[in-house]
Amino acid sequence: AQKVTQAQTEISVVEKEDVTLDCVYETRDTTYYLFWYKQPPSGELVFLIRRNSFDEQNEISGRYSWNFQKSTSSFNFTITASQVVDSAVYFCALSEAENTDKLIFGTGTRLQVFP
Amino acid sequence: EAQVTQNPRYLITVTGKKLTVTCSQNMNHEYMSWYRQDPGLGLRQIYYSMNVEVTDKGDVPEGYKVSRKEKRNFPLILESPSPNQTSLYFCASSSGLLAGEFTYNEQFFGPGTRLTVL
Repeated sequence: AQKVTQAQTEISVVEKEDVTLDCVYETRDTTYYLFWYKQPPSGELVFLIRRNSFDEQNEISGRYSWNFQKSTSSFNFTITASQVVDSAVYFCALSEAENTDKLIFGTGTRLQVFP
Repeated sequence: EAQVTQNPRYLITVTGKKLTVTCSQNMNHEYMSWYRQDPGLGLRQIYYSMNVEVTDKGDVPEGYKVSRKEKRNFPLILESPSPNQTSLYFCASSSGLLAGEFTYNEQFFGPGTRLTVL
């Protein structure tokens, strides 16, 4: 069965610190898709990144970077030099190729960045 | 502007009073879905639709109905709301799996509807 675990319920950092949000997934499918979404205090869900299972290249987008490791079934998200505007709940999600109708979310990690 | 819209954004109602939350997308997406978000549980899928007149249950369908008569609209119906349906609801749409390509597109979410059932 597919499952996404975000073990960190809440993380607090001071501005300019680096922070990593963990995501561990379970799937029996060999082809799957991983996503990260951001939910700021205003409540909307903002898409951040999609990663296909056959593409293990890490990705960097400005201060954001993602480390995908199939060997440990992890898709971790790092924010470098965090800012107050990064304060949000971050969700990791998984969809399997054999059942793309279903998007399974983790329970989310609340990140608070203090000035 | 490409978007998913939901109405109403906030709703307080009483037990048993039927309500409908509308969802509309202007991206010509075939796939649409409803989720509910509850503290500590993340987002859970209620119903989804692969195309017009094609709907199926997600993980928590009890107490909900949906319909897909037009491609752009996917309303969520609570025939007899109960307090345990108090939640934050999101509608989403996606172009889904791109034919001939090994990629599955992300889902775009509406702004959310905060429902309170007293």
